[in-house]
Amino acid sequence: KQEVTQIPAALSVPEGENLVLNCSFTDSAIYNLQWFRQDPGKGLTSLLLIQSSQREQTSGRLNASLDKSSGRSTLYIAASQPGDSATYLCAVLNNNDMRFGAGTRLTVKP
Amino acid sequence: NAGVMQNPRHLVRRRGQEARLRCSPMKGHSHVYWYRQLPEEGLKFMVYLQKENIIDESGMPKERFSAEFPKEGPSILRIQQVVRGDSAAYFCASSPKDEQFFGPGTRLTVL
Repeated sequence: KQEVTQIPAALSVPEGENLVLNCSFTDSAIYNLQWFRQDPGKGLTSLLLIQSSQREQTSGRLNASLDKSSGRSTLYIAASQPGDSATYLCAVLNNNDMRFGAGTRLTVKP
Repeated sequence: NAGVMQNPRHLVRRRGQEARLRCSPMKGHSHVYWYRQLPEEGLKFMVYLQKENIIDESGMPKERFSAEFPKEGPSILRIQQVVRGDSAAYFCASSPKDEQFFGPGTRLTVL
C-alpha cells in the first residue's frame, strides 16, 4: 500500500528565501507524481506534473525533481513571496489510485 | 475552456437526509475522480469513473455512497442517510489522461 510523507509539516520563511519541500513515497512503481497548492478553504491548483520517466519539471520559480528509485521528490521554490503562502501537497499515482501526502503548510513573511 | 465545476459549493444537510454533489469535468475530459478531505486530514481517493463506467471504487464506503458519470451531464456523488462523520470537503478532478485538474470542492456540513 502506497504511503506518502511530506516533510516538514509546516515551514515559515522570510520573503526572498529559496526553500525546498520534501515528499517521499514507499512504492516506487508510480505512474506519475503531481505537486499541488491548496489555499485555505479552496480547491487544489496543479503546479507541476512529473511522469515516472522524467527527473524534473520547471515552471517559473518552481522546480520539482523526482528520484523514483529512492522514492523521493522535492519542490524547490526560488525567491519566495508572501503570495506563495499556502499548503503544498504532493500526490503519486499508482494504477488508478492517487495518494496524497498530508501537505506542508508554508508561510512566507513579508 | 472553463475549469472543473462543482456545485453546490456549500451544502448543509440534517442527519438522515440525502446529499447530491455534482461535478462537471473540463471539456474533453472523460476521466473523473472523487476525493474526500476530512477536517485535519489529507485527501483520500474515493472513486474513479469514465463515461458510464466505474473503473475503481476501492476508496468509497460500501454503504450509503454511490457515484455515477452518465453519458450526458455531470458526475454525481450521492450520499444517502448522511451522518455527522460525512461532514467534509469533497473534491472532484477531471483528466484527459494523466494530469488531474481539481474543482473548487463542495463543503458538506451535516447537522
